[in-house]
Amino acid sequence: SYVLTQPPSVSVAPGQTARITCGGDNIDSKNVHWYQQKPGQAPVVVISYDSDRPSGIPERFSGSNSGNTATLTFSRVEAGDEADYYCQVWDTSSDHWVFGGGTKLTVL
Amino acid sequence: EEQLAESGGGLVKPGESLRLTCVGSGFTFSTYTMNWVRQAPGKGLEWVSSITSVSSYIHYADSVKGRFTISRDNAKNSLYLEMKSLRAEDTAVYYCTREGEGNQVYFDFWGQGTLITVSS
Repeated sequence: SYVLTQPPSVSVAPGQTARITCGGDNIDSKNVHWYQQKPGQAPVVVISYDSDRPSGIPERFSGSNSGNTATLTFSRVEAGDEADYYCQVWDTSSDHWVFGGGTKLTVL
Repeated sequence: EEQLAESGGGLVKPGESLRLTCVGSGFTFSTYTMNWVRQAPGKGLEWVSSITSVSSYIHYADSVKGRFTISRDNAKNSLYLEMKSLRAEDTAVYYCTREGEGNQVYFDFWGQGTLITVSS
């Protein structure tokens, strides 16, 4: 089955740029979606189809997908961005949705 | 206002069964593919199952295949997850999610989740 690999944690100072990666075999052939989950809340999509920002998501959030790595980038990180982030793809070979293991973003 | 409301969670013993229900409102439930996603305490998200709008296609994660059954009743705007032979590792918050349409095929709306605890 298809596997998505994320770093368990990323730390960044306020105002800096943070990047969370999502690794998968030829992931650039798939559409990657990113979700933000704050404690006690349901996840919310922040990036869809590699780099699209749904309505209401700040322009500071961006995404890219190339080769074997998709990346969620936060420019000018704010304290409110602190959360768990998950990447997701649809695996056509198994007809399964697949989530990455999640990355905890800590704002120092 | 769009809403997804899960119910049916609780404490069950290993080997027992449970049925979850998710009721959708504020949108045309019958046109959307729906999914169940779970999250064990302190762990990440795990996709469980999906069902298309008229139940034409159903898929399950390997971890639940043969034990869980997803179904829906569009007349009642309801999604179900029948869970049998429950195990300790099924302990999790179970979320009902809506899968968007057209160029929004991702989980565009989530319920607040219902907790299932499997313990003797």
